[in-house]
Amino acid sequence: EVQLLESGGGLVQPGGSLRLSCAASGFTFSNYAMSWVRQAPGKGLEWVSEISGSVTRTNYADSVKGRFTVSRDNSKNTLFLQMSSLRVEDTAIYYCAKGLYGDFGRHMDVWGKGTTVTVSS
Amino acid sequence: DIVMTQSPLSLPVTPGEPASISCRSSESLLYSNGNSYLDWYLQKPGQSPQLLIYVGSNRASGVPDRFSGSGSGTDFTLKISRVEAEDVGIYYCMQALQIPFTFGPGTKLDIK
Repeated sequence: EVQLLESGGGLVQPGGSLRLSCAASGFTFSNYAMSWVRQAPGKGLEWVSEISGSVTRTNYADSVKGRFTVSRDNSKNTLFLQMSSLRVEDTAIYYCAKGLYGDFGRHMDVWGKGTTVTVSS
Repeated sequence: DIVMTQSPLSLPVTPGEPASISCRSSESLLYSNGNSYLDWYLQKPGQSPQLLIYVGSNRASGVPDRFSGSGSGTDFTLKISRVEAEDVGIYYCMQALQIPFTFGPGTKLDIK
């Protein structure tokens, strides 16, 4: 069964850092681009970042550029999101999602259950 | 960034009746290969989003054939031929042509 399982969320103070992980199983992880998508409480979906399967390309939303870094370890089938200089407005459920095909993390056909990040003093 | 809009934002539907959601993009989503890079997602209550339609009209694996997507360029439509109780949730369109990918505000479908 194809699965994604996020972890690493929690409560952090403004200006702090957090590292999210997403463990993948049931598919050849290195063959697919991956994305992070977040959802603030009671709000809609916001695409955050993507990384190609070969790790040669990364992209970010302007709202997180320079503060968040996406990476992956294909040998461990794991996706990461390093978040620093966190702001209250980064509070959200963070989902990792698998791209359906190609080298872009779009047409996201598998989603994890999400991990909650709360930024508050 | 490409701005996505949806209408209506709220859609009460009687089971067995059809439903239609419109999505519009601020720029054309037509790629050089002739495909429009527009996806539809459904987020059921308390669940993660799920892919329904990709590249405008292709149903994702396991999606019932009562769901269909159409449109090209800047105007797109998701149709449900006969709404079932399990279809309640928030429907989002997302442009997948240009970074950053952007979602519409969502259309909440519920049962009358």
